[in-house]
Amino acid sequence: DAMVIQNPRYQVTQFGKPVTLSCSQTLNHNVMYWYQQKSSQAPKLLFHYYDKDFNNEADTPDNFQSRRPNTSFCFLDIRSPGLGDAAMYLCATSRDGYYEQYFGPGTRLTVT
Amino acid sequence: GENVEQHPSTLSVQEGDSAVIKCTYSDSASNYFPWYKQELGKGPQLIIDIRSNVGEKKDQRIAVTLNKTAKHFSLHITETQPEDSAVYFCAATTLFTGGGNKLTFGTGTQLKVEL
Repeated sequence: DAMVIQNPRYQVTQFGKPVTLSCSQTLNHNVMYWYQQKSSQAPKLLFHYYDKDFNNEADTPDNFQSRRPNTSFCFLDIRSPGLGDAAMYLCATSRDGYYEQYFGPGTRLTVT
Repeated sequence: GENVEQHPSTLSVQEGDSAVIKCTYSDSASNYFPWYKQELGKGPQLIIDIRSNVGEKKDQRIAVTLNKTAKHFSLHITETQPEDSAVYFCAATTLFTGGGNKLTFGTGTQLKVEL
């Protein structure tokens, strides 16, 4: 009954090698969010989609991009991962008009 | 922008005791305050929330209180159990103009329930 699914759960990439993380949802929520959570820190919002409208946080590095081909799927692309990008990446969804955000299990990214 | 402070950063209690975590926020436009529980290696799980027009809400062993005037809100867990051990995050929510909402998280509280 998973509602927000993230794949893979663990990803290892090399310094500078592009990587894509994926998120899918069965809730039919129109808002999807990507967060970065570093060790022992709170999640930090990178960007969100309201339907197909992309909204970037002001302090999100250009190295991070996102795609949302349809309501159910959203991707996080890291063009040139650095060692500082090692973190847990969390996807969340919410329904328009409702406050509640529901998180996926996260993808742990390691950069070697 | 919104700023949320959370205390304490670590909390150790004996099984069966109560635990209280406190948060303050800065933006009076925030109107929804969720609490998330995050176990090691997992995503945050919404456990309870409160809206700005409500002062208190209870769900079995957990309760939240909100003092909107003072911009304080708190999580209370009674009769703690070992499975309550986790990191707890408070958050304050503001609405994005174009839709969706922004969660600003507190720094987290590591709760440990000892046998």
